[in-house]
Amino acid sequence: DIVMTQSPDSLAVSLGERATINCKSSQSVLYSSNNKNYLAWYQQRPGQPPKVLINWASTRESGVPDRFSGSGSGTDFTLTISSLQAEDVAVYYCQQYYDNLRTFGPGTKVEIK
Amino acid sequence: EVQLLESGGDVIQPGGSLRLSCTAAGFTFSRYTMSWVRQAPGKGLEWVSAITDSGGATSYADSVKGRFTISRDNSKNTLYLQMNSLRAEDTAIYYCAKGVSSEYRFDYWGQGTLVTVSS
Repeated sequence: DIVMTQSPDSLAVSLGERATINCKSSQSVLYSSNNKNYLAWYQQRPGQPPKVLINWASTRESGVPDRFSGSGSGTDFTLTISSLQAEDVAVYYCQQYYDNLRTFGPGTKVEIK
Repeated sequence: EVQLLESGGDVIQPGGSLRLSCTAAGFTFSRYTMSWVRQAPGKGLEWVSAITDSGGATSYADSVKGRFTISRDNSKNTLYLQMNSLRAEDTAIYYCAKGVSSEYRFDYWGQGTLVTVSS
């Protein structure tokens, strides 16, 4: 099974400042035949279901603000919020879709400092 | 607009059974893999089970294998999760999630239904 880890568990960032969340997979999620990383990022606001932000490690979903960006390849990935807004308070999860067990990271809670 | 509406959550005793339903609208249900994902109170997301568009193939997390059965009725645009031999650790919000073509990821989620396993 592919195990996903995230760091930090939580972080507090001032409004307008940058937030960076890391995600690591226990094995590569880069599929060599198409050179794509099978890694997604989700945002879950309090009391809401998750919402997909990014697919293929770095492709923003339609309608997602451009302050959200994803990077990384292989086993190490990063979600960056370039200028934190109040509505970004949420828990963020990475998920691998390289195999059919579809494992999630444990989540990173983002709060306002 | 894609809509997924879960139902069937309840308080149930350990060892009991429950069937969850998810009614879909706003897309061609029969063309997509569907999944159940759960979230224990205050915890993270755990994928539970998935079923292919035709219902011809299913997969399960080890934690529920042999106890839960996923199924679908494409004529009713409805996804099901039959849960047997329920345990306290099955207590969670259960979300229905729509897959993206043949990929193991999700683009739409329902609001969830709460299952509480307690004596």
